[in-house]
Amino acid sequence: EVQLVESGGGLVQPGGSLTLSCAASGFAFSGSAMHWVRQAPGKGLEWVGRIRSEANSYATAYAASVKGRFTISRDDSKNTAYLQMNSLKIEDTAVYYCTRPAYGDCLDPWGQGTLVTVSS
Amino acid sequence: EIVMTQSPDTLSVSPGERATLSCRASQNIDFNLAWYQQKPGQAPRLLFYGASTRATGIPARFSGSGSGTEFTLTISSLQSEDFAVYYCQQYSNWWTFGQGTKVEIK
Repeated sequence: EVQLVESGGGLVQPGGSLTLSCAASGFAFSGSAMHWVRQAPGKGLEWVGRIRSEANSYATAYAASVKGRFTISRDDSKNTAYLQMNSLKIEDTAVYYCTRPAYGDCLDPWGQGTLVTVSS
Repeated sequence: EIVMTQSPDTLSVSPGERATLSCRASQNIDFNLAWYQQKPGQAPRLLFYGASTRATGIPARFSGSGSGTEFTLTISSLQSEDFAVYYCQQYSNWWTFGQGTKVEIK
């Protein structure tokens, strides 16, 4: 069974930093891209970014709203993806989900999410 | 960026009735569309990919159709567990989601 478990969320002040982790199991993690998607309280889903596999040079891509502030990385030896978030803004407050591409490029499954709250 | 627009924002339906949800893309995405269901406090769950292919374990009362810019999700006879928010998502050019349609009990 494919499982994705996020961790690392919490309360952080505006301008601060936080790193989220996504532990994966049940599939060939090293050969898969990994994505992050977020959901602000009471709002819809927003794609944040993705990292491809080593075979694809660990290429990353980001949404315009986070580009230059967020960095996605991975450690294939630990089957874990990371989302490093810097210069956090109040509007970054959201539940952050990790997920992987399936059936082409749709996203399945999703982790349970981890809440990041940016507030002073 | 491809903009996805869902309608309506909220759909009030009685159990046993049919629900029809729409999703429009701002440009041609062929069949590169997925539908997700999200219940309160839960992660999204994949329902359909390729616009009309059911994901594993999705009941036959759910159907998806469309191509290009116009897509539809139909629930033929709503069950209590189907009341949720539904999102469409394109994966033709990066990834963008619709704003969601909430299906509520009438």
